[in-house]
Amino acid sequence: KAGVTQTPRYLIKTRGQQVTLSCSPISGHRSVSWYQQTPGQGLQFLFEYFSETQRNKGNFPGRFSGRQFSNSRSEMNVSTLELGDSALYLCASSLDVSVRSGANVLTFGAGSRLTVL
Amino acid sequence: DAKTTQPNSMESNEEEPVHLPCNHSTISGTDYIHWYRQLPSQGPEYVIHGLTSNVNNRMASLAIAEDRKSSTLILHRATLRDAAVYYCILRRDYGGSQGNLIFGKGTKLSVKP
Repeated sequence: KAGVTQTPRYLIKTRGQQVTLSCSPISGHRSVSWYQQTPGQGLQFLFEYFSETQRNKGNFPGRFSGRQFSNSRSEMNVSTLELGDSALYLCASSLDVSVRSGANVLTFGAGSRLTVL
Repeated sequence: DAKTTQPNSMESNEEEPVHLPCNHSTISGTDYIHWYRQLPSQGPEYVIHGLTSNVNNRMASLAIAEDRKSSTLILHRATLRDAAVYYCILRRDYGGSQGNLIFGKGTKLSVKP
């Protein structure tokens, strides 16, 4: 079956612009979560969606937002880009149900590498 | 914030076993221990997970301490393709601002031919 697809894979933006990243989960997976990965901070949790509802949100400013559609596809948006937003943005999906969701395996996409100039 | 603690880097020789340790002293009773690895220019890839008992799969084995405050990922025969950054992750149902994953910096494994 197809894996988690993230688009675009690479993009370059300038400070002040905004960007939208897309994530298509594995078919049947209802949970999508987003992470920012940088050399200095490592992996950091951004937010998690389950059945179109944001279930958790990490400690990021309000410039970072996301949503999930009825087909489980998800998008994240970063407005007013800053140099420090340059990172690899990873999306992961899982079957996830509310009970024992810790047992559910995450499948990550290859990421969207954002460079802010 | 809770996190996992791993060595920054480890080296291994090809076809020898590798033991990758992880400390997670803040683990709670319902947290699962997951291991993922990340190859260059790729997203993390699932390796193995467990709750209390040791686990084996085709990729690796997971040894979990009795008090669950530490675990060890065991690669039985390292190959060059196993060179990656290995992340030990606690996965929980609802983690608040940390989400449902608790992770650290990972261990960069180098495999020498």
